[in-house]
Amino acid sequence: QKEVEQDPGPLSVPEGAIVSLNCTYSNSAFQYFMWYRQYSRKGPELLMYTYSSGNKEDGRFTAQVDKSSKYISLFIRDSQPSDSATYLCAMSGGNYQLIWGAGTKLIIKP
Amino acid sequence: SQTIHQWPATLVQPVGSPLSLECTVEGTSNPNLYWYRQAAGRGLQLLFYSVGIGQISSEVPQNLSASRPQDRQFILSSKKLLLSDSGFYLCAWEDGAYEQYFGPGTRLTVT
Repeated sequence: QKEVEQDPGPLSVPEGAIVSLNCTYSNSAFQYFMWYRQYSRKGPELLMYTYSSGNKEDGRFTAQVDKSSKYISLFIRDSQPSDSATYLCAMSGGNYQLIWGAGTKLIIKP
Repeated sequence: SQTIHQWPATLVQPVGSPLSLECTVEGTSNPNLYWYRQAAGRGLQLLFYSVGIGQISSEVPQNLSASRPQDRQFILSSKKLLLSDSGFYLCAWEDGAYEQYFGPGTRLTVT
């Protein structure tokens, strides 16, 4: 079993829809949770960073962490074609190493 | 603000040739530095990380090596490339707050 599981997709939704992206993990020591967006042939870009449980909102993006279920989510409201990218989750138990999901490819159809 | 540079952007090299990829960071001091490889459609595989000049830790046994000759410079090398070394190489920095920031990447094709 991988430490972090993420559905690779692709996930295709119409423009304007609410998108839900998810990761599950097995290590209860994880406390730092991140979401990255990666456009084709580019480096990943940090979108959201959350410590421990709870929600964090930034514009159209909301990150949610449920440590009791070992489940994290990224919601995108009013999705745009420019949101089409691969979204990677990453997490850490407090050392140097981030544990990465494989990424979900998201396609927003105009 | 901090900036991270990687070069070259793309590289095509024959099997058995040497490799040198360079990464530099601006606007921060004593960052932790990372080299990752990303295969097509896959997640990120950590290759090396460094917490200071001359301090390199390897995560995956392979024919690659890394060096950190200066505080904000990180170099990935190979003496003889294999076909399996093809991929997208990413350098990242982090200042102890767990968030990693990535460079634009180098796409390496070994032929």
